[in-house]
This record gives sequence, structure tokens and C-alpha cells, in this order.
Amino acid sequence: GEDVEQSLFLSVREGDSSVINCTYTDSSSTYLYWYKQEPGAGLQLLTYIFSNMDMKQDQRLTVLLNKKDKHLSLRIADTQTGDSAIYFCAESYGGSQGNLIFGKGTKLSVKP
Amino acid sequence: SQTIHQWPATLVQPVGSPLSLECTVEGTSNPNLYWYRQAAGRGLQLLFYSVGIGQISSEVPQNLSASRPQDRQFILSSKKLLLSDSGFYLCAWSAGPNTEAFFGQGTRLTVV
Repeated sequence: GEDVEQSLFLSVREGDSSVINCTYTDSSSTYLYWYKQEPGAGLQLLTYIFSNMDMKQDQRLTVLLNKKDKHLSLRIADTQTGDSAIYFCAESYGGSQGNLIFGKGTKLSVKP
Repeated sequence: SQTIHQWPATLVQPVGSPLSLECTVEGTSNPNLYWYRQAAGRGLQLLFYSVGIGQISSEVPQNLSASRPQDRQFILSSKKLLLSDSGFYLCAWSAGPNTEAFFGQGTRLTVV
């Protein structure tokens, strides 16, 4: 069945770049998403990319999509302590219902 | 603008007691509605989704049920809670297929 995989932990120093990787299985996914979850809070959509795009940049965020390898990455430039959170990769699934399949989330820790 | 409300924020319930979590959406009509559970150390699991009033689909067999009595109201219930029902429950809505999901702030449920 459909599955989204991502590494569970990432630790970086403040000011460095962070790269969070994700692989997915559903080749018919139209959109792929990155969500951010701060402690004890709901999920906040960070950015998304349409499947016919290779790259999308939004201020400090860069999303790269390799559709052939079904690989998605999120790069955060100049990582700040406020970026510490869990980042979820998600793919659209099932078409008519608009369901999303989420990865388990990558916990990003930013050290000063 | 659209908003989603979910309550309560935290809940501690004894084993065997009933549960009712409520979620309401404002500012949109006929949204797709979702209940997710995030158990400790695990990713997001879709529990239920609804594409309309009275229409509920369950993704996994479980001790919980959902109802949608009104267009913008989604309720998660249980007649008798189990210890394994503990977790972080998130309500979400989307406008339809292949669109982003907007999440509530979540309910931290602890069954003791």
C-alpha cells in the first residue's frame, strides 16, 4: 500500500542548513506537502509542491522533488532555534477523498 | 477566513469511561473532515474521514467511532476507553481532493 518514509531525527547547528528527506510510493500523487508541528500543537502547512515541478523556493525553504526516484526533500537555509520542531512529509492519496498519507515525522533539533 | 476549532486541549479519562471530542470548522461549506491520531513515537494515523453529513469512512478497525451531525461538525467518540486509546488527536479539514489540509490544535488524551 501507500507509504511515506522519512528519517526520525536530525540535529544541526544554528546557522547551518537543514535537509530533511522523504520517500513516497504513490506515483499518482498530485501534490506533496511539508508540515511543521511545534510541541503540543497541531500541524502547520509549510509548503507544498505540485508533482510536475522539480523545485520550489519560498524564502528560507527549498523543496526538491525527484519524481523518478519518488524522493522529496526540504532544505531550510540559515536554520534557527525557532525551526526546532517535527516536520512531516505527506502525499495526496485516494483522489476523491483528498486524504493525505503522512510520514512518521523528522524531529529537527537546532543547537545554538 | 476559515478556522477550525477542536476541544478540549487536554483530557485525562479513566479506562472504561466514554469519550467525546468535538471539532468544528468555520468559514467554509461542505469540507472534507478528518480525525488523525498521533501516538507517542509514531506518525500520524488517519482514523476517520467524512465527505459529507452522515458519511463516515473508517481507515482502521478500532475502539472509536465518528459522527458528522452537521456540515461543519465532526465528533470522535468511544463508549469505553482503553489504555491504548491514549494519544494526540488531530482534527483537520480540506476543501477536496489534492488540496492542503488545515489542522486543529489537537487534543492530548491520556487514559489512566
